[in-house]
Formats: sequence, C-alpha cells, structure tokens
Amino acid sequence: EVQLVESGGVVVQPGGSLRLSCAASGFTFDDYTMHWVRQVPGKGLEWVSLIDWNGRITYYVDSVKGRFTISRDHSKDSLYLQMNSLRTEDTALYYCAKAYHSQTISSFTFDYWGLGTLVTVSS
Amino acid sequence: SSELTQDPAVSVALGQTVRITCQGDSLRRNYPSWYQQKPGQAPILVMYGKNSRPSGIPDRFSGSSSGNTASLTITGAQAEDEADFYCNSWDNSDNNAVVFGGGTKLTVL
Repeated sequence: EVQLVESGGVVVQPGGSLRLSCAASGFTFDDYTMHWVRQVPGKGLEWVSLIDWNGRITYYVDSVKGRFTISRDHSKDSLYLQMNSLRTEDTALYYCAKAYHSQTISSFTFDYWGLGTLVTVSS
Repeated sequence: SSELTQDPAVSVALGQTVRITCQGDSLRRNYPSWYQQKPGQAPILVMYGKNSRPSGIPDRFSGSSSGNTASLTITGAQAEDEADFYCNSWDNSDNNAVVFGGGTKLTVL
C-alpha cells in the first residue's frame, strides 16, 4: 500500500526557516518524480515544486524560487522541502504527492497524496 | 504562465448529469488530470489522460476534451460526489511547472 506521510509543519515567524519531510513507502521511490503542493485553508490547490526521480532536476513556482529547496534521499525514501525567508503568504497545508508516470519529469498526474502538514507563518 | 480556469461552483440534482469544465491554453497539448477533494481530506485522483479512471473510481465519472476546454462529466450524480474538483496540467509556456485550476465546488441537490 502506497503511503506518503508529511511532517515538520509548525508555527514560525516571518523570515524564519523550516524543513518539511515526506516519508514514502509502498512503491519504488527511486522511479518517480515527487511534488509538493500547498493549499491555504479554504482555498484552492497550488503546485509548489517537483524533483525528478534522480534528484537532478528541480522546478519551482515563481513565488518560492530562491527561497525553497526541494530534495530527496533515496536511502531513506524521503522527500524534503527546505523553506527559507518564510512569508505570511506561505501559510498553508503542504502536501507531498507522487507522480503517476514513472521516470517522467512532466507527469502532472498525482496518483497518491499525503494528508499534509500545516505551516503557519505568523508573528 | 499558463492558467486553468474553472467555474467556482456548479450544482446538480441527485441522479442527474453534470459537467465540470476546465479551460486553458495548455489543454491544447495535454489532457488534464482531475482531482476530487472533500472537506478535511486530501485530494484524490479521479480522471487522467484522454478518459482514464484510476482503480476504484466509479464509471459514472468520464472525461473529454476539445480545443482548450476539458470536461469532467458525472452521469447520475450521487450525494457522495459533493466535493471540490480541481483540474491540472503541465504549463506549456516558458515555465517548467504544473498548474492547477481554481477549483469547482459541486453541490448535489
């Protein structure tokens, strides 16, 4: 059974830093592009970032470029999101999601999602 | 960047057919994926590709696309279908990015 379990969400002050983690199981983690998607409570979904199956290619939404870094650790089957220079508008529930198509960078079909971890940026 | 546009809200009578639409230039090159999200839950994939349903998704859900507009159709809507629905696609502009539509809240009357 595929499972994605996010952690690391807390309350942090503007300008602060945070690292989110996503523990993956039930599939061959090394074969799939992974994504972070966020959702402000009561609002829509916003794609944040992706990392390809090799960990060599990363893409970001414009609003987080230069502040967030996505990474993965194949030895731990884990995905990460390092968030720096946090802003109040980064407050959201952050989901990690698995791409449906293996070894495809542009796969935007997400067949499994975690339950999310809540990041609150507030003074 | 490319955008995907969805109607904010749609309603349907129980047992009737409803079409949820998604519009955007990227849909001329890609079939979107569709997600259903119920309150307090993570999204789930309900449709992808030309008209493919993941295992466990009822066959009352179907997908279609023409030009820059894609549709998710529910034939014989059930009370449990009431949810928010999102489409997404790959941004075919200069960005390498995924883009989501703003979401459609479906009410089953």
